[in-house]
Amino acid sequence: DVVLTQTPVAQPVTLGDQASISCRSSQSLVHSNGNTYLEWYLQKPGQSPQLLIYKVSNRFSGVPDRFIGSGSGSDFTLKISRVEPEDLGVYYCFQATHDPPTFGSGTKLEIK
Amino acid sequence: EVQLVETGGGLVQPGNSLKLSCATSGFTFSTAWMNWIRQTPGKRLEWLAQIEDKSNNYFISYLESVKGRFTISRDDSKSSVYLQMNNLKEEDTAIYYCTSDSGEEGFDYWGQGVMVTVSS
Repeated sequence: DVVLTQTPVAQPVTLGDQASISCRSSQSLVHSNGNTYLEWYLQKPGQSPQLLIYKVSNRFSGVPDRFIGSGSGSDFTLKISRVEPEDLGVYYCFQATHDPPTFGSGTKLEIK
Repeated sequence: EVQLVETGGGLVQPGNSLKLSCATSGFTFSTAWMNWIRQTPGKRLEWLAQIEDKSNNYFISYLESVKGRFTISRDDSKSSVYLQMNNLKEEDTAIYYCTSDSGEEGFDYWGQGVMVTVSS
């Protein structure tokens, strides 16, 4: 199975600053059809996960443009500019290129 | 407003069965692909099963470790998806979420989750 390694495990951040989360895959996430199925989810405290980004860099409906997904191959990054209180929680990357689909272990974004 | 509501969780002994239901509203269920995902007590997320829509002949896929024990199904007339879980093990203890997806654009909607505890 594809292993997604997220770093850091916890990201202390000052409100208003930028945060960056890395997701590295044990193999390339480029599908044979040319697409890269790498997604990002945020789980706020006490809530279900919610979709932020799909296919590396596409924001889901209603997601602020402060959230920017980037990367290629097996190396991906989620940047959150001007962190706001509602951005706090655990971020998970997810790949659907290879079977079975797998999640990263999560990065907790917390107040410094 | 999109809603997904899971029911059917609870405490069950190892080896027993449980059937989870997920009732949905607010989107076109008949064309949605539906999934079950669980979150372990350690907060690890694990995709379990997917059922595609009628146009894809309700194609089903499973995580290998639950294949043969778990069965996903859907009833488009009730806008609902189900997960039959047999021969439950302690490691199946988790919060179970149903989610929708449009095929290539992520798990766009999630239920609130239902707790399943497998313990003697």
